[in-house]
Amino acid sequence: AQSVTQLGSHVSVSEGALVLLRCNYSSSVPPYLFWYVQYPNQGLQLLLKYTSAATLVKGINGFEAEFKKSETSFHLTKPSAHMRDAAEYFCAVSEPGGYQKVTFGTGTKLQVIP
Amino acid sequence: EPEVTQTPSHQVTQMGQEVILRCVPISNHLYFYWYRQILGQKVEFLVSFYNNEISEKSEIFDDQFSVERPDGSNFTLKIRSTKLEDSAMYFCASGAGNSNEKLFFGSGTQLSVL
Repeated sequence: AQSVTQLGSHVSVSEGALVLLRCNYSSSVPPYLFWYVQYPNQGLQLLLKYTSAATLVKGINGFEAEFKKSETSFHLTKPSAHMRDAAEYFCAVSEPGGYQKVTFGTGTKLQVIP
Repeated sequence: EPEVTQTPSHQVTQMGQEVILRCVPISNHLYFYWYRQILGQKVEFLVSFYNNEISEKSEIFDDQFSVERPDGSNFTLKIRSTKLEDSAMYFCASGAGNSNEKLFFGSGTQLSVL
C-alpha cells in the first residue's frame, strides 16, 4: 500500500522567507506524487505533480518540488513566501498504471507572518 | 479551467436523518470519487466510481453510504442514517482516468450532524 508522511502539521515563516514543506513517501513501485493546496473555504487545487519525468518539478505560484528516490522524499519549496501562500498543503501519492485514486498525507498548515 | 460543482456548500442535519450530497463532475470525465475530511484530520478516500459501478471503496464506506450517477451528469453521495461522526467536509472529484493526471476537486460540502 502506498502512503505519504508529512512532517509538521503547522509551519510558520516570515514573508519573504524560504518555504519548505516536507513529504516522504512509501511505495512498492515508483509512485506518482502530487502536492495539492487548500485555501480557506475552498477545495483542493493541484500545485504540481511528479510522474517519472524530470525530478525537479515546477508548479504554480512559484512552488517547486524535487523527487529524491534515495531519500524517498518529495519536499515542496518556494524561495520567498507571500501572504497569499497561507493555506493547507497536502502531499499525495497514486500508483502508476492504476486509475487516479490518490492517498493524501495529513496536511501542513502554512502560516505566513508579515 | 473546467470545474467540479458541489451542492450544497453547507448541510446541517439531525442525527439519524438521510442526506444526499450532490456533485456535477466535469463532463468528459469517466472516474468519480468521494473523499472526506474530518476537521483537523487528513483527506480520506471514501469511494471511486466508474462505468456506473463502484470500483473501490474504503472501510469508511459502509452500508450507510451509497453513490449514484442518476442522470449522466450528477454524482451523488447518500448517507442513509447520519451519525455524529459523519460530520466532515465531503469532497467530490473527477478525472479522465490516467493516474499521472490530476484529479479535479469540488469546493466541498460541509456536513454538520447535530
